[in-house]
Amino acid sequence: AQSVTQLDSQVPVFEEAPVELRCNYSSSVSVYLFWYVQYPNQGLQLLLKYLSGSTLVKGINGFEAEFNKSQTSFHLRKPSVHISDTAEYFCAVSDLSNFGNEKLTFGTGTRLTIIP
Amino acid sequence: DAGITQSPRHKVTETGTPVTLRCHQTENHRYMYWYRQDPGHGLRLIHYSYGVKDTDKGEVSDGYSVSRSKTEDFLLTLESATSSQTSVYFCATTPRQDSYEQYFGPGTRLTVT
Repeated sequence: AQSVTQLDSQVPVFEEAPVELRCNYSSSVSVYLFWYVQYPNQGLQLLLKYLSGSTLVKGINGFEAEFNKSQTSFHLRKPSVHISDTAEYFCAVSDLSNFGNEKLTFGTGTRLTIIP
Repeated sequence: DAGITQSPRHKVTETGTPVTLRCHQTENHRYMYWYRQDPGHGLRLIHYSYGVKDTDKGEVSDGYSVSRSKTEDFLLTLESATSSQTSVYFCATTPRQDSYEQYFGPGTRLTVT
């Protein structure tokens, strides 16, 4: 079964500093990869997704992620964070080898706190 | 935005009582999902549906059942609630199999005392 590892449960970052949130997945077979964001007391919303093509994916709010197949990673980055980026971030994977690949497996989340 | 609503938004119930959570969507999406969110576990899939009356189990389905008699409604039932089912429950939808993006509802916070 597919698994997703988010290596940092909490990441504090000063405002306007860069940030990287790490995500690794277990399977070496073809996958689709996603980052979701959850603001306090809200549901999740999609930040960005990798389905195919360029390994550098750009999303909303200035975030981007790079798919690295050899390292089975999909790290999320932003060059300069803002207070409004304070949220929990979830990495998710859809394993294309499974029948019914519309199911996602989520990581445990990384709580990003921006320090003024 | 898939126009997803969940009801109730908050519920406190006693151990052993039955509980039903409702997810309603207005976009005619084919797939619907129930997740639970717990600290340190992220989101875990309970059950999902790929059409009216078509449902399947997720990774943490024990103690839960679901029903989908209409495209727009997906019900999650805890037959006899336990304290381990205290959690935040999220409903999600996706339009079709090749869509992949899931749209999430606002969540239901359930406390079992």
